[in-house]
Amino acid sequence: QKEVEQDPGPLSVPEGAIVSLNCTYSNSAFQYFMWYRQYSRKGPELLMYTYSSGNKEDGRFTAQVDKSSKYISLFIRDSQPSDSATYLCAMSASGGGADGLTFGKGTHLIIQP
Amino acid sequence: SAVISQKPSRDICQRGTSLTIQCQVDSQVTMMFWYRQQPGQSLTLIATANQGSEATYESGFVIDKFPISRPNLTFSTLTVSNMSPEDSSIYLCSVDEVGTGELFFGEGSRLTVL
Repeated sequence: QKEVEQDPGPLSVPEGAIVSLNCTYSNSAFQYFMWYRQYSRKGPELLMYTYSSGNKEDGRFTAQVDKSSKYISLFIRDSQPSDSATYLCAMSASGGGADGLTFGKGTHLIIQP
Repeated sequence: SAVISQKPSRDICQRGTSLTIQCQVDSQVTMMFWYRQQPGQSLTLIATANQGSEATYESGFVIDKFPISRPNLTFSTLTVSNMSPEDSSIYLCSVDEVGTGELFFGEGSRLTVL
């Protein structure tokens, strides 16, 4: 079993829909959880950073962590064509540097106008 | 957040040659890293570039294949040596400005080896 599982997609939804992106993980030591957005031919861009369980909201984006289920989600409300990108989850136990930071393979999201 | 510039943005190379990728940051950062992103695969950490000392390599990556320099707190290079088609990938420079694991990435260098 891989440490971090993420459905690669593609996930195609109509503009304005609510998008749910998810990752599951196996390492119970993970405490820091991140979501990155990566446009084609660009580097990943940090979207959300959360510690431990709970929700965090930033504009149209909500990150949710359920440590008991080892499951994290990113919700995008009122999705726009500009949200079309690959979304990578990442997580670590230590929260410092890149040491132990484990990425998912990414979900390719397409928002249809 | 730091602005990270990578050069070249892309290159096509012949088997057996070497290519050096440069990473320039617009501010001094302690932590700088090199990642590889292969198609359909997770981002994989190659090494931590340490200023003034040898880089720290992850399992599966060795200095002879991926020599790294870090002469100061704003600049690093990654060389991919004796390239084979399996080295075709995107190579990304990243920094952790505040030591919390919030990584910022360069645009990446897309390498194709024929």
